[in-house]
Amino acid sequence: DVQMTQSPSSLSASVGDSVTITCRASQTINNYLNWYQQKPGKAPELLIYVVSNLQSGIPSRFSGSGSGTDFTLTISSLQPEDFATYYCQQTFSVPCTFGQGTKLEIK
Amino acid sequence: VQLQESGPGLVKPSETLSLTCTVSGDSISGYYWTWIRQTPGKGLEYIAYIHSSGSTNYNPSLYSRVTVSIDTSKNQFSLRLNSVTAADTAVYYCVKWGRGYGTPFDPWGQGTLVTVSS
Repeated sequence: DVQMTQSPSSLSASVGDSVTITCRASQTINNYLNWYQQKPGKAPELLIYVVSNLQSGIPSRFSGSGSGTDFTLTISSLQPEDFATYYCQQTFSVPCTFGQGTKLEIK
Repeated sequence: VQLQESGPGLVKPSETLSLTCTVSGDSISGYYWTWIRQTPGKGLEYIAYIHSSGSTNYNPSLYSRVTVSIDTSKNQFSLRLNSVTAADTAVYYCVKWGRGYGTPFDPWGQGTLVTVSS
């Protein structure tokens, strides 16, 4: 299985800040790397697919980058609704695997 | 597209967990469909996929206990997990996987909590 490792596991920031979450795959995944946002009691929601493609309806303050085995999610100018848990995922091979999550909390 | 999980919220140990996902707003044909579960301890875990053609894949960690099936006439797909234990207590999601490998999981059902307890 491809292991996905996210860091940090939690992060405190203020409204207006910019934050970056990293995700490392245990092997190359052909850039088939996606990011999801999950709010308490809700299902994960797709934010970014294939490293840097913004899902329809997602604000442009979300961006993704990376290649090979190292990827990042950046959220610029944090808004109150952005405080949530974020997951990376690879869909290069089955079982598709997720990172352990990064909980973004208000400072 | 909307997905809705249905099934018992409580299952006894050693029995079978059965869930159905009803897809609305799009045909189930031509796409991959998956089951994912989430626990506080193990996070998000891929269980299986099924394609409308009937091809399947199961997570090796659950392979011996899982079966997925699809009914294109009802626009539904289903999950069966045998011999459940407390470790199978989780929120179960059905998710569209579009064209499969390389594509993201989207959209997700709202999820259903299944508790394994006597």
